[in-house]
Amino acid sequence: GNSVTQMEGPVTLSEEAFLTINCTYTATGYPSLFWYVQYPGEGLQLLLKATKADDKGSNKGFEATYRKETTSFHLEKGSVQVSDSAVYFCALVRMNSGYSTLTFGKGTMLLVSP
Amino acid sequence: EAQVTQNPRYLITVTGKKLTVTCSQNMNHEYMSWYRQDPGLGLRQIYYSMNVEVTDKGDVPEGYKVSRKEKRNFPLILESPSPNQTSLYFCASSYTEAGDEQFFGPGTRLTVL
Repeated sequence: GNSVTQMEGPVTLSEEAFLTINCTYTATGYPSLFWYVQYPGEGLQLLLKATKADDKGSNKGFEATYRKETTSFHLEKGSVQVSDSAVYFCALVRMNSGYSTLTFGKGTMLLVSP
Repeated sequence: EAQVTQNPRYLITVTGKKLTVTCSQNMNHEYMSWYRQDPGLGLRQIYYSMNVEVTDKGDVPEGYKVSRKEKRNFPLILESPSPNQTSLYFCASSYTEAGDEQFFGPGTRLTVL
């Protein structure tokens, strides 16, 4: 079935470091892919998305490219800030009984120190 | 302000005592869903609803019920809670389907003793 695998955290970085959080997926066809972010004590919010192969989603300095050859959607940011400390979830849309549902990865915690 | 609200935010209860967690959205969204978040397991979907009176099971529906009698409300019912239902619960809504941007509520921290 459809699934998402993320690198385990926590990822610990110093401010201004380069960030990569790996995400790979297993799916039939070419599902839309998402990154959601959860700040401490809050619900998730959409960070970026890509709906087809080779699309690049971007927002707030974060980027991810939909790579069908490697079934990956890695999240990157060139220079992280302390305020980026959060849990990041990769997700894909799958069909279930004719309706769409979201499947999330287990999440990767990012800790950025000053 | 566009938002998803959940109540209560925190709840401690005992095994077997029926409870309801309410979820309400003011964005006229058709699609609503419930997730539970557990350490090491990430977010798992419990139930979802495509519109009024249309619901379906997610990945972990056992021990839960839902109803969608009005578009804005999607309550989660635990008829006989057990300790393994201790978790952080999130309600979410989106315009028409899962691929639309999901708007999440603030979460309900449930402890079942």
